[in-house]
Amino acid sequence: EDQVTQSPEALRLQEGESSSLNCSYTVSGLRGLFWYRQDPGKGPEFLFTLYSAGEEKEKERLKATLTKKESFLHITAPKPEDSATYLCAVPFQQGAQKLVFGQGTRLTINP
Amino acid sequence: GAGVSQSPSNKVTEKGKDVELRCDPISGHTALYWYRQRLGQGLEFLIYFQGNSAPDKSGLPSDRFSAERTGESVSTLTIQRTQQEDSAVYLCASSLGRVGEQFFGPGTRLTVL
Repeated sequence: EDQVTQSPEALRLQEGESSSLNCSYTVSGLRGLFWYRQDPGKGPEFLFTLYSAGEEKEKERLKATLTKKESFLHITAPKPEDSATYLCAVPFQQGAQKLVFGQGTRLTINP
Repeated sequence: GAGVSQSPSNKVTEKGKDVELRCDPISGHTALYWYRQRLGQGLEFLIYFQGNSAPDKSGLPSDRFSAERTGESVSTLTIQRTQQEDSAVYLCASSLGRVGEQFFGPGTRLTVL
């Protein structure tokens, strides 16, 4: 069964304190890994697509990386506006048009 | 340009009643998805529409759930004989066909009393 596990469930950082969020998966023949950001009361917002091990993508203070078993979302010198829940997702092993999502990491950046 | 819109934003209903949720995707997006998100949980896939192909209904949790889409436009998700465990946020997303790059609406928060 396709599994996506995110850790930690919640993370509190001080403004400027860098850290990383983890997304591990058990899908074989990965057809992409996707990161989303979700603010309270809103739908998820697409951030990144990663397709192959070693690939990296950056956007402002966020950098996503991918290995054969997991992905990391690195956040450098975060600001309070980076506070959100970060979700990762992979396509179902069969039926690649469907996504299975992790439970998310709730990130809080204190000023 | 307009994003994905959903209505109503909130719906409170009594157990046993039927509800209908609406999604207006981004114009030109051929793919449309419905998800359910319970409090503090990730997204649970429900159903997927792609153009005129038969929808993928494999995520619907029971036969009380159904969805329709008119061409490449509006979709409705219907839940019959609602139960308390149906309480959740129902999210709709559309895309140009790339499975992972989906654009989400704000969701409909359903509360079944």
